[in-house]
Amino acid sequence: GAVVSQHPSRVICKSGTSVKIECRSLDFQATTMFWYRQFPKQSLMLMATSNEGSKATYEQGVEKDKFLINHASLTLSTLTVTSAHPEDSSFYICSPRTLQYNEQFFGPGTRLTVL
Amino acid sequence: DAKTTQPTSMDCAEGRAANLPCNHSTISGNEYVYWYRQIHSQGPQYIIHGLKNNETNEMASLIITEDRKSSTLILPHATLRDTAVYYCIVRVPYSSASKIIFGSGTRLSIRP
Repeated sequence: GAVVSQHPSRVICKSGTSVKIECRSLDFQATTMFWYRQFPKQSLMLMATSNEGSKATYEQGVEKDKFLINHASLTLSTLTVTSAHPEDSSFYICSPRTLQYNEQFFGPGTRLTVL
Repeated sequence: DAKTTQPTSMDCAEGRAANLPCNHSTISGNEYVYWYRQIHSQGPQYIIHGLKNNETNEMASLIITEDRKSSTLILPHATLRDTAVYYCIVRVPYSSASKIIFGSGTRLSIRP
C-alpha cells in the first residue's frame, strides 16, 4: 500500500509560463499534503502544508501567490508554479499524510527546469 | 521537533556493514527516531523508526542508546544500491501538527 504518484516526472518550460504538478495518493486518502522542493546538492525544504478543502499554509520565504496549491480531494493535490523563472528550477516532491496509517509518505518527485 | 546531527558523508565497502550515527540530544519523551534515505533524483524512502527499543526490519537495524540521545542505523550488508543520502529525523508520528523537516543528512557512498 501507500503508493504516491507525481505527474509529470520532469518538465521543461520557458520563463514566464506556468507549470502544474499533480500528486496522487493511489491507494489511500491524504488528509494532509506537504510540498517540498530540493535544489541541487541541498536537502529537502518544506514549502507548504495543506489540508483537504482548506487553504495551504506556507513556510516563511515561500510566495503563496507564486506557488498555488490545490487540495480539493483526498487523493489529488496540485502545485502550480506561476510565471516560472530559472531560479524556480528545482526538484519538487509531494508528501501526503494519512490518518489511516498515521504516516507521511513521499512521491517520486518532479524535476522542473525553467529556461 | 528536535534537531539532529549527522556526519556529512561516509563511505563503506560493498558487503560490509554500514553504521550511520545520529545525535539527537534534545529529543523529547514522545518523539520517535525515523530514518529515511534518498537515492539520487528520487523521493525519500522510509527505512525504519523506533522509540526506545532496538528495531530491525528487512532493510536495516536501528540501535537507540538507553538515554535516547543518539542512535545508529545499520545496513548489515551494504550494496552499491545503498548509495544515497540518509536522513535521521525525530518526530511525533501521530500528531496532526507534526511534519517532517529534513536536515542535511549523511551522504553514504558504497565502494566496490
